[in-house]
Amino acid sequence: QVQLQASGPGLVKPSETLSLTCTVSGTYISYHYWSWIRQPQGKGLEWIGHISDTGSTYYNPSLMGRATISLVPPKNQFSLKLSSVAAADTAIYYCAKKGGGGFCSGGSCHDYYHMDVWGKGTTVTVSS
Amino acid sequence: EIVLTQSPGTLSLSPGQRATLSCRASQSIIISNLAWYQQKSGQAPRLLIYGASSRASGIPDRFSGSGSGTDFTLTIDRLEPEDFAVYYCQQYDNSPPLFTFGPGTTVDIK
Repeated sequence: QVQLQASGPGLVKPSETLSLTCTVSGTYISYHYWSWIRQPQGKGLEWIGHISDTGSTYYNPSLMGRATISLVPPKNQFSLKLSSVAAADTAIYYCAKKGGGGFCSGGSCHDYYHMDVWGKGTTVTVSS
Repeated sequence: EIVLTQSPGTLSLSPGQRATLSCRASQSIIISNLAWYQQKSGQAPRLLIYGASSRASGIPDRFSGSGSGTDFTLTIDRLEPEDFAVYYCQQYDNSPPLFTFGPGTTVDIK
């Protein structure tokens, strides 16, 4: 059974860098894509970015280049760094695994894109 | 960027009733890229439906998804007390790679 656990400082000062780690159990990080998603209290979900099994990364343009996601293979972890944080970055941060599989129809094949396993989330507050 | 709109914002129903939730996209979506999640207060989202209509592992068959193009629907037959929650649709755009979520529909007890 795949499980994810996000961890990191609960309080970060404005203009500093937020650093979070997601520890994966039940599978190897080199087998899947991994995402970070955040949710301000009482609001909706925002995808931050993801990293592929080979280390390729894609980020939400709304973060203006402030996010960096990395794999930490020896520890079966992946991480998120978000620089120059402000109060608007206060949120619950979730790590999640991309679901696999796909289907073929009409001569073309498509991968599925969804998150099938989520960690419990860790709350980060940006405040001085 | 593809924008998702969910309606209604809130659905007030009684246990045993059917819930019909709508998700509309600003552009056509490949069905493999459309998913639905359930989120209860204080919990992480849980995958319900992927590929627009495939139930995730362990999801009861009272949950079903349908739709194509720009219009998608999540139906919950015979609401159980544990189904009262917030429901989000999600899509993935390949170019550039970007997941987006709808604003959510709250299903609460009437």
